Amino acid sequence: NAGVTQTPKFRILKIGQSMTLQCTQDMNHNYMYWYRQDPGMGLKLIYYSVGAGITDKGEVPNGYNVSRSTTEDFPLRLELAAPSQTSVYFCASDTGPGELFFGEGSRLTVL
Amino acid sequence: GQQLNQSPQSMFIQEGEDVSMNCTSSSIFNTWLWYKQDPGEGPVLLIALYKAGELTSNGRLTAQFGITRKDSFLNISASIPSDVGIYFCAGGSGAGSYQLTFGKGTKLSVIP
Repeated sequence: NAGVTQTPKFRILKIGQSMTLQCTQDMNHNYMYWYRQDPGMGLKLIYYSVGAGITDKGEVPNGYNVSRSTTEDFPLRLELAAPSQTSVYFCASDTGPGELFFGEGSRLTVL
Repeated sequence: GQQLNQSPQSMFIQEGEDVSMNCTSSSIFNTWLWYKQDPGEGPVLLIALYKAGELTSNGRLTAQFGITRKDSFLNISASIPSDVGIYFCAGGSGAGSYQLTFGKGTKLSVIP
């Protein structure tokens, strides 16, 4: 059972570069989410999607973009990477309120 | 926005001891959830609570939804080394997971 799969697991970017974090789920969940986790902090919601073609901003959306062309995929795009975007990023999906299934995370460092 | 105060921030306990941690808020929540994160992994749901006063167990774990709807606690009985990790509480204010607020986590270390 794959669940939620994120790639890459690790990435180093230079300031100003762009990249896309990939997220795929095979559970046919309508709801998908992107969170960031900074040391000693809880999870902060970046963007979420309630179904293909529908996305919305979370608590910390600045500097990020998302798209949802299929039920399975929910990529997160970083444009013009900044050191403040150094973090661990988690993708998640669910079918019910709060019962999130998380991926293993993508650790991003911006230098 | 809504905030959760999760305590303690970290704790070191001897294997076999019981553990208690809690989350409090000035806001009312409709759901409380507890997640555990192992090092290098994503969080995994342990217990979900949907009703004020609800007490739910999952093996050695017991969690309660506070009667005021502003707090929740998690107890772990007879701790074992694999209990090591970060435990997060999350409060839900609506019907969707996008309305979850996460605590900052309690880092648990178990001394064999």
